[in-house]
Parts: sequence; C-alpha cells; structure tokens
Amino acid sequence: QSALTQPASVSGSPGQSITISCTGSGSDIGTYNLVSWYQQNPGKAPKLIIYEVKKRPSGVSSRFAGSKSGNTASLTISGLQIEDEADYYCCSYANSRGVFGGGTKVTVL
Amino acid sequence: QVQLVQSGAELKEPGSSVKVSCKASGGTFSTVALSWVRQAPGQGLEWMGGIVPIFGTANYAEKFQDRVTITADESTTTAYMELTGLRSQDTAVYYCAKDRGGGSEYFQYFLDLWGQGTLVTVSS
Repeated sequence: QSALTQPASVSGSPGQSITISCTGSGSDIGTYNLVSWYQQNPGKAPKLIIYEVKKRPSGVSSRFAGSKSGNTASLTISGLQIEDEADYYCCSYANSRGVFGGGTKVTVL
Repeated sequence: QVQLVQSGAELKEPGSSVKVSCKASGGTFSTVALSWVRQAPGQGLEWMGGIVPIFGTANYAEKFQDRVTITADESTTTAYMELTGLRSQDTAVYYCAKDRGGGSEYFQYFLDLWGQGTLVTVSS
C-alpha cells in the first residue's frame, strides 16, 4: 500500500486560510469515507483533529475543516493562528489496513 | 480517563528483536482496535499493524508482514509489538494508538488516543 501524497509544506499569514491536500487512490480515499487528519507538534504524539472526512472530535477548533472529492481529501485551516504551526498528516482506511500521508509542515509567517 | 502507557526506550543491536508494550487503563480494552505506528527521526508516520484484542488476530502492513508480531493480553489489558531482524532503519519512535470506535468497522483508523511513544534505537 503506497503512502498518501501530501505537499511537504504549506505556509500562510495569521488570519489567512490554508488548505492541505491528501491524494490517494480508488483503493483508499476514493472508496472509503474513513479519512482522518492529525496534528503533531515537535516531540509530541499526534492528535486527532478530523475523522470520517469532516467530523471534529470534541474540543477541536471549528477552524479545522475536512472535505473529500474523488481520490483527494483536504484539510482547511481558517483564521490561521501561530499555534497552528505544526506537522499535519492524513490517514485513510485501505482494504482493512491503514495508510498515512507523508506529512505537511505548516508554517505561520 | 483512558490512558495508553508504553514501555521505556530500548537500545538494540542490528539483527536482534524488540518487544514494546502498551498498557491500557481506565476504559474498554478488548473490543477496541489498537494500532502501532512508527516515526523515524525527521520522518512521517507509518502504520505497522493493529489488533482487536477480543479477536486476537492481527492485521499488518505489507511492508512489515514478515518481521512484526502484534499481540494482546486481555487479562492485563496490554498490547505488544515485536519487531525482529532489526536494522538501523528501524530506529524510530513507536506509538500505540486506539481507534475511536463506534462505526461499522473495528479498524477505521480514527486514532483518538496515543501512547507516549517508545524510542527504539538500533545501533552496534
């Protein structure tokens, strides 16, 4: 199972919106709505911020929004804040197995 | 509150094996899917495999199928990940993580609780 494809980095200014793409295939994102997104700060374990394409766990800011079209899932962060600077990973169900994206470093300029 | 507590850091020689534990406390263990995810220094997350303790059989990523064994002990609410034939490229932080559950599939990969991570260093 190949890793999902994410851009290596995305940047934006405070208050702006940014979108991170996550491209898979018909074997994963294209077939299943079992897509999740994780935020990871340096030296910390990942944190679930989006599951089932667009649902947010309790306590996660509404500035994080997920979507999907075809084989590509997306994470949009609106009203970018300094504390959003982190690594972000997508993940998908893929024929009973899990597969992650390569990760995207978000920089707040 | 459910917690996942992993065993401590390991230093291993090339060719040897390592077994990392993940103890769950404070919640349901047997019927939740537990995954193992690793992260090499400066690299991304990589799903290795997972298990639902009540069923006992594990599910592995193709890349690790020949070298990893994931087990769970319901009596001690502890999951284990054993990796054999260690090489320097296996140097990484290894995490256990719990699936959120509540869907039609045990494995959905909505990993809402993570252990603190276990650093495994492979070096001679």
